[in-house]
Amino acid sequence: DAGVIQSPRHEVTEMGQEVTLRCKPISGHDYLFWYRQTMMRGLELLIYFNNNVPIDDSGMPEDRFSAKMPNASFSTLKIQPSEPRDSAVYFCASSPGDSSSYEQYFGPGTRLTVT
Amino acid sequence: GNSVTQMEGPVTLSEEAFLTINCTYTATGYPSLFWYVQYPGEGLQLLLKATKADDKGSNKGFEATYRKETTSFHLEKGSVQVSDSAVYFCALSENSGGYQKVTFGTGTKLQVIP
Repeated sequence: DAGVIQSPRHEVTEMGQEVTLRCKPISGHDYLFWYRQTMMRGLELLIYFNNNVPIDDSGMPEDRFSAKMPNASFSTLKIQPSEPRDSAVYFCASSPGDSSSYEQYFGPGTRLTVT
Repeated sequence: GNSVTQMEGPVTLSEEAFLTINCTYTATGYPSLFWYVQYPGEGLQLLLKATKADDKGSNKGFEATYRKETTSFHLEKGSVQVSDSAVYFCALSENSGGYQKVTFGTGTKLQVIP
């Protein structure tokens, strides 16, 4: 398997613009997670899905952030409008549903810079 | 709620030194425990895991033992190399309300100097 795929790898945008980050999880994994990592705040869980259904979105910072998972092989994280404080590395991770094996597989991340 | 506490970094060691990174946890049930490693510019990757008390996870010379009595999962390596320089995250995961619930520590940066 190719692992978790994220696109784009780098995104530079101006404040106020809409940003869409994309993720393709590992085939057969039931869980998908979105994280944000910054020097100041470390690794933060934003939202996670089980079988395409959002389970916990309590980590989503505010209404400017939204995430969808229309099918088992694709998810998006959208920021509208973007702000400079959204600059971070955003990771997508997937995990099998087997309760004996909850390890997560991370993508390479999308580095977002909002100017 | 669940929590994971790691020792503050950065940790700086000379090559071939012994490594210990402490990790303690609090959990309501019987979690699985993990160590993840993040190399510069990359995502986190699983280093090792243990799913029940007294299990020892090991990989690439790293080891950690699931100690239920002390709620700890300390990471050790007998002889570190420059290539081990990375950020190490301790994490736990358990079934909560029928769903996986994961908690990460804040990460410990390791720098190994030649």
